[in-house]
Amino acid sequence: ETGVTQTPRHLVMGMTNKKSLKCEQHLGHNAMYWYKQSAKKPLELMFVYSLEERVENNSVPSRFSPECPNSSHLFLHLHTLQPEDSALYLCASSRDRVSGNQPQHFGDGTRLSIL
Amino acid sequence: AQKITQTQPGMFVQEKEAVTLDCTYDTSDQSYGLFWYKQPSSGEMIFLIYQGSYDEQNATEGRYSLNFQKARKSANLVISASQLGDSAMYFCAMREANTGNQFYFGTGTSLTVIP
Repeated sequence: ETGVTQTPRHLVMGMTNKKSLKCEQHLGHNAMYWYKQSAKKPLELMFVYSLEERVENNSVPSRFSPECPNSSHLFLHLHTLQPEDSALYLCASSRDRVSGNQPQHFGDGTRLSIL
Repeated sequence: AQKITQTQPGMFVQEKEAVTLDCTYDTSDQSYGLFWYKQPSSGEMIFLIYQGSYDEQNATEGRYSLNFQKARKSANLVISASQLGDSAMYFCAMREANTGNQFYFGTGTSLTVIP
């Protein structure tokens, strides 16, 4: 039990489909993050939310659309994805954005495959 | 420039032996934190150990210790008495205060423990 739950674990979709990834944290944290993990590359930070407000968007294409309805839930809405978007998408949370000694806690990830 | 460099794509260690995983970092900030994570094949990133830039002693957590050499900007992870369950990817990460505490991850080292 990690405290951060991601669903689904695996997702296969066509390029014209619309789907959403869900993340829920049970740790009482105020910051949540989406990362993309591709083979042999460092984790790429996509979005950061602090107290439900988006504070960072690292030049992510608009076909990825995040939503944070409250501090416990984070969604990543997917639309018209490309084959290069196939990757492991990891959600993480931390107590806040400013405490430098606080680690991020990660979910198990959603392995996304685009056909 | 790479913020975090892990030069060992793969490592092997005999069960019950110790192993060192290398990590060097690049920052001009005086205040930063260094983290190590373990990622088994299931995908979840598990936080292992933290070292603050102002900490004078090397961090230890059970069988994990961090060999922190500030002048050389290295933060190597030492795993003592390796177990088969230690086989996984290991990621070094850094959090800088002057970039809003953004996390930077290395490309990881794949560790295989041999029985």
